[in-house]
Amino acid sequence: DVKVTQSSRYLVKRTGEKVFLECVQDMDHENMFWYRQDPGLGLRLIYFSYDVKMKEKGDIPEGYSVSREKKERFSLILESASTNQTSMYLCASSPQGLPGTSGVTQYFGPGTRLTVL
Amino acid sequence: AQKVTQAQTEISVVEKEDVTLDCVYETRDTTYYLFWYKQPPSGELVFLIRRNSFDEQNEISGRYSWNFQKSTSSFNFTITASQVVDSAVYFCALSEGYNQGGKLIFGQGTELSVKP
Repeated sequence: DVKVTQSSRYLVKRTGEKVFLECVQDMDHENMFWYRQDPGLGLRLIYFSYDVKMKEKGDIPEGYSVSREKKERFSLILESASTNQTSMYLCASSPQGLPGTSGVTQYFGPGTRLTVL
Repeated sequence: AQKVTQAQTEISVVEKEDVTLDCVYETRDTTYYLFWYKQPPSGELVFLIRRNSFDEQNEISGRYSWNFQKSTSSFNFTITASQVVDSAVYFCALSEGYNQGGKLIFGQGTELSVKP
């Protein structure tokens, strides 16, 4: 079974703090993703990565950065947390599809519920 | 632009009722994939099904069935004889053919509550 783990289920931080959310997958997947989930908005893509040291912006990258130094680990960084970043953060991974195609299934971690006070 | 709409925000049914969750999508691609995920109260999204745009056959898996109609750009999900364990938030998602790695565009989600 694919296993995607996230470092914390619940996290409380103060405004202005630097926050690290860690995600690890054990299936040697090339692709990894960070989403945030907010009521009424579904899941929105923050950043994704096709390979080690590669990253691409998703739909809402502002206020976030990412790091992928190893294939199995993808970190989401909030440089200076703000209250509007209070949300549920979900990490996902997927294997590489054939070039120019998609349709590979993403597998999700349990999520981190972040509260910024 | 790509978009997925789940117009039903919340649905409440009584156990053993059948329930259909609607999903309408927009895409300019001819090759794309559609997904359904279930998010139980524990929070983790669980993959349910993936269909590609060239396969319009309906699919049945136990009490779950999916109706894909390109003519109406819909990919609806039906649960037959619902059970309390089906209570969850369900997401429909779209992945377009040109995307390497399958970036997903999600609908807003439908929260299903099945009461005993």
